[in-house]
Amino acid sequence: QPVLTQPPSVTGAPGQRVVITCTGTSSNIGAGHAVHWYRQLPGTAPKLLISGNNNRPSGVPDRFSVSKSGASASLAITGLQAEDEADYYCQSFDSSLSVNYVFGTGTKVTVL
Amino acid sequence: QVQLQESGPGLVKPSQTLSLTCSVSGGSISSGDFYWSWIRQSPRTGLEWIGYIHNTGNSHYSPSLQSRLTISILTSSNFFSLRLASVTAADTAIYYCARTSGISWSLDSFPLWGPGILVTVSS
Repeated sequence: QPVLTQPPSVTGAPGQRVVITCTGTSSNIGAGHAVHWYRQLPGTAPKLLISGNNNRPSGVPDRFSVSKSGASASLAITGLQAEDEADYYCQSFDSSLSVNYVFGTGTKVTVL
Repeated sequence: QVQLQESGPGLVKPSQTLSLTCSVSGGSISSGDFYWSWIRQSPRTGLEWIGYIHNTGNSHYSPSLQSRLTISILTSSNFFSLRLASVTAADTAIYYCARTSGISWSLDSFPLWGPGILVTVSS
């Protein structure tokens, strides 16, 4: 089962910039499939944060931005705030075996 | 707006079949070009896409689960369901129903989720 690799944790002080990486393969991110990012608070379902190329649902501030290069993608959070503390997941489509969607391993963002 | 709600037993015995239903409210399951999905999450496997179904009945399953999996849709009652056969402890997880963004396989995200239901496989 293919999976996207993320660092387990990222820590930053309020106001700082943190970056979460998402590493895939030539059958998912590297194949040009879109990458999406979700935020999950404890006890709740993941919530779409940014889809594709910086498409933010209503209410998501532009402090969150994404980029992609080759088989990797990144989520940057600038001006880190206490409310940003959560788990973050990337997601893409994988074309190695029929229809298949893959998620990242998840990154816990901690605000000091 | 459209909302999703999972329902079903929270405890299933090993070797039995796990059955869940996702009720769709606030809109018709037949509207739009969406795929209605099941996703699960456990500490062991993280977030895992299980499969999805279109209102036409066209379905796709995760290659790792397809031998045990059936997803069906009942448009007249506005719900879709999941059946996972021969479960083991490894199938213990929070099960979410979700809806795709309805763009294309390559571009689709999951902008709409149910709150999730914890299913434990244990004797």
